[in-house]
Amino acid sequence: AQSVTQPDIHITVSEGASLELRCNYSYGATPYLFWYVQSPGQGLQLLLKYFSGDTLVQGIKGFEAEFKRSQSSFNLRKPSVHWSDAAEYFCAVGANSGNTPLVFGKGTRLSVIA
Amino acid sequence: GAGVSQSPSNKVTEKGKDVELRCDPISGHTALYWYRQRLGQGLEFLIYFQGNSAPDKSGLPSDRFSAERTGESVSTLTIQRTQQEDSAVYLCASSLGGARRANYGYTFGSGTRLTVV
Repeated sequence: AQSVTQPDIHITVSEGASLELRCNYSYGATPYLFWYVQSPGQGLQLLLKYFSGDTLVQGIKGFEAEFKRSQSSFNLRKPSVHWSDAAEYFCAVGANSGNTPLVFGKGTRLSVIA
Repeated sequence: GAGVSQSPSNKVTEKGKDVELRCDPISGHTALYWYRQRLGQGLEFLIYFQGNSAPDKSGLPSDRFSAERTGESVSTLTIQRTQQEDSAVYLCASSLGGARRANYGYTFGSGTRLTVV
């Protein structure tokens, strides 16, 4: 069965600074990988996803993530953070059979300071 | 509808009472998922419906939890004899299902916040 670890519970960055949120997964084959964002009182919104091919994927809101098989990682990055990026971020992994539910990490809460 | 609709958005109930939470998926989405999110925690899978197949109930935490889905439409999650540890946000998601990648095109509802007092 697959699993996901997000090592950082809470991260604070200054507005305009770069951001990297870490995600490590466990799965016996090439996984399907996802990042979701949850703003206060909102449902989860998909930021980006990786199925295969190019290991650097671009998402919405200026986010990108890189799949590194050797490190079992799928870290989320953004070159310049905006105050509106403050939210909870969840990494998720799915089996490449597509027939099991996504497994989510515990999330990383991002705070943005002026 | 345009999105996944969940009702009620908030529910406060007394310990020991039964509650029903409703999810209206996107029309045409054959797959439907229920997750639970406790305060400060990630999403915990509860149950998964795919078309007319038997649901995957492997995530239900106890026999007090059950869920039904009528065809490929509305789903109801029922919690019997609620306990304080059931307090959480219950999230529903739907997807097209079928092909592998399409099955992971989740659209989430805004959730039902359940508080057991």
